[in-house]
Amino acid sequence: EAQVTQNPRYLITVTGKKLTVTCSQNMNHEYMSWYRQDPGLGLRQIYYSMNVEVTDKGDVPEGYKVSRKEKRNFPLILESPSPNQTSLYFCASSLWKLAGGRETQYFGPGTRLLVL
Amino acid sequence: KQEVTQIPAALSVPEGENLVLNCSFTDSAIYNLQWFRQDPGKGLTSLLLIQSSQREQTSGRLNASLDKSSGRSTLYIAASQPGDSATYLCAVRGAYNAGNMLTFGGGTRLMVKP
Repeated sequence: EAQVTQNPRYLITVTGKKLTVTCSQNMNHEYMSWYRQDPGLGLRQIYYSMNVEVTDKGDVPEGYKVSRKEKRNFPLILESPSPNQTSLYFCASSLWKLAGGRETQYFGPGTRLLVL
Repeated sequence: KQEVTQIPAALSVPEGENLVLNCSFTDSAIYNLQWFRQDPGKGLTSLLLIQSSQREQTSGRLNASLDKSSGRSTLYIAASQPGDSATYLCAVRGAYNAGNMLTFGGGTRLMVKP
């Protein structure tokens, strides 16, 4: 089954304790991305990757890191989490064409993070 | 900067009604527009994707239209059912911002009452 998986699904942590949220897709997609969703602000892109070893900042990258060592995995790293990073996080993937139009984005189930 | 707005923010209808959800965007230079459904505690499920060259897409009871020049899209749901209750999001992929693929609207929270 084609899917995007995220782990963990729920996480409670404390300020400053490093954490990693994993994301994996089995569709051989080039493009992967992280979003956060907050009430009143909608979904905002954190980082994206257009292929292995190619990553770039989205709209709200501060406080986050990513890596893309393998095509299927795109972990999100919070080196020193703060309460303002409490949010619902989504990973997404799709095929990638610079001048495309047919690339449906597939989303993972979300990770709900609470930073105390 | 692209901005996407969805109206109404919330909608409650009795079962069986046909309904229309609206999405507007400020920059008409887009590659495509996608409608998603989000259920509480779950991820986003893609419903329909309309390429910039298309006017509409249909899937079952859903029909999405796109008027790129006026910056509008509508999602039409025919014969609504309680199982349609969810938040519906529209998102556009801008033509010139290569990496930031999708800009989302705030969503319409739909409740269909039995």
